[in-house]
Amino acid sequence: SQQGEEDPQALSIQEGENATMNCSYKTSINNLQWYRQNSGRGLVHLILIRSNEREKHSGRLRVTLDTSKKSSSLLITASRAADTASYFCATALSSGTYKYIFGTGTRLKVLA
Amino acid sequence: NAGVTQTPKFQVLKTGQSMTLQCAQDMNHNSMYWYRQDPGMGLRLIYYSASEGTTDKGEVPNGYNVSRLNKREFSLRLESAAPSQTSVYFCASSERGGWTGNQPQHFGDGTRLSIL
Repeated sequence: SQQGEEDPQALSIQEGENATMNCSYKTSINNLQWYRQNSGRGLVHLILIRSNEREKHSGRLRVTLDTSKKSSSLLITASRAADTASYFCATALSSGTYKYIFGTGTRLKVLA
Repeated sequence: NAGVTQTPKFQVLKTGQSMTLQCAQDMNHNSMYWYRQDPGMGLRLIYYSASEGTTDKGEVPNGYNVSRLNKREFSLRLESAAPSQTSVYFCASSERGGWTGNQPQHFGDGTRLSIL
């Protein structure tokens, strides 16, 4: 099974609303990253949060990390139609590898 | 500055045929990766190359081989294609490897491969 599991699988909101998506993982991590994927394109890195950080901001993005619950959330504020995409979390295992484990993604649709 | 370039973008193969997917990056990155993306499965790591001259298996390496030709190029080969290998294949690179993994990955736009 996937290390990261996003929730919800799909989300539809109106432009201007906030969108929150969650990621849960199973093992200890060194860091967690969020990526966006537009239809038919590759993934684009959004933000990285380290295991010793609890919250991080980048523009309209806010990421939180709770290592005790093995979960992270991505909040997109004041969403725009251009935010329509799939969002994935990825974890780098702390076991000393170069491997990233990606979740199954949340499909976000922002209605204009 | 092209980033990560994958060729071809689309390919249809017959079962048993072989082919090589090409990937090149122009960011002078040390580490490169091959993933496959299937509906409902997210991305799964096939092989990775921590640095030039090294390669290692990921989660789903069976049926694939890789070559890190030089620092820029990392190719993925299907020796005898099977319908189960129908997928979208993504190549990615990161500035430097290392177990901390504190480097974002940069992705190409994928190769859409269908095997009949």
